[in-house]
Amino acid sequence: EVQLLESGGGLVQPGGSLRLSCAASGLTFRSFAMHWVRQAPGKGLEWVSGLIGSDANTHYADSVKGRFTISRDNSNNTLYLQMNSLRAEDTGVYYCAKGLEASPNWFAPWGQGTLVTVSS
Amino acid sequence: EIVLTQSPGTLSLSPGERATLSCRASQSVTSYLAWYQQKPGQAPRLLIYDASNRATGIPARFSGSGSGTEFTLTISSLEPEDFAVYFCQQRRSWPLTFGGGTKVEIK
Repeated sequence: EVQLLESGGGLVQPGGSLRLSCAASGLTFRSFAMHWVRQAPGKGLEWVSGLIGSDANTHYADSVKGRFTISRDNSNNTLYLQMNSLRAEDTGVYYCAKGLEASPNWFAPWGQGTLVTVSS
Repeated sequence: EIVLTQSPGTLSLSPGERATLSCRASQSVTSYLAWYQQKPGQAPRLLIYDASNRATGIPARFSGSGSGTEFTLTISSLEPEDFAVYFCQQRRSWPLTFGGGTKVEIK
């Protein structure tokens, strides 16, 4: 069974930085696309970033481009999201999700999420 | 950016009834549309991908249809565990985008 476990969330001041981690198990991690999706409190889902294959093939939402960096460590089965210059509107639960084998931009399964709060 | 508009915002139905949820895209996504279910306090779960393919382990009462800009998720007979929020998502082009969601609530 594939399991994804996010960590690294917390309270940070505007302008600060956080690094989220997503530890994966039960899969050949290097073989799958991985994504980050966030959800502001009481709101809908927003795709944040995806890493398709190698680190060179990354994609970002316009709202985070230039501030967030997605990466992976295949030797440790871990996905990362480095978040810099954080803003209040970045507040929310951040989920990591695995891409389907045949269709890397469909998300299954998802982790349980980690809460990021940007506030002074 | 492709905008996905879901309707209605809330659907009030009784167990056993049929639910029909709509997702409209601002431009064609061909068949590159998925549906997710999210229950309170839980992560979303993939139900349908490529417009009409059920994901692993999803019951047959869930079905998807449509192409281009108009898509439908149908739950043929609502079970108590189906009351949740449903989101559509497209993968036709970057950035990947989600609809705003439809809440299916107990009438």
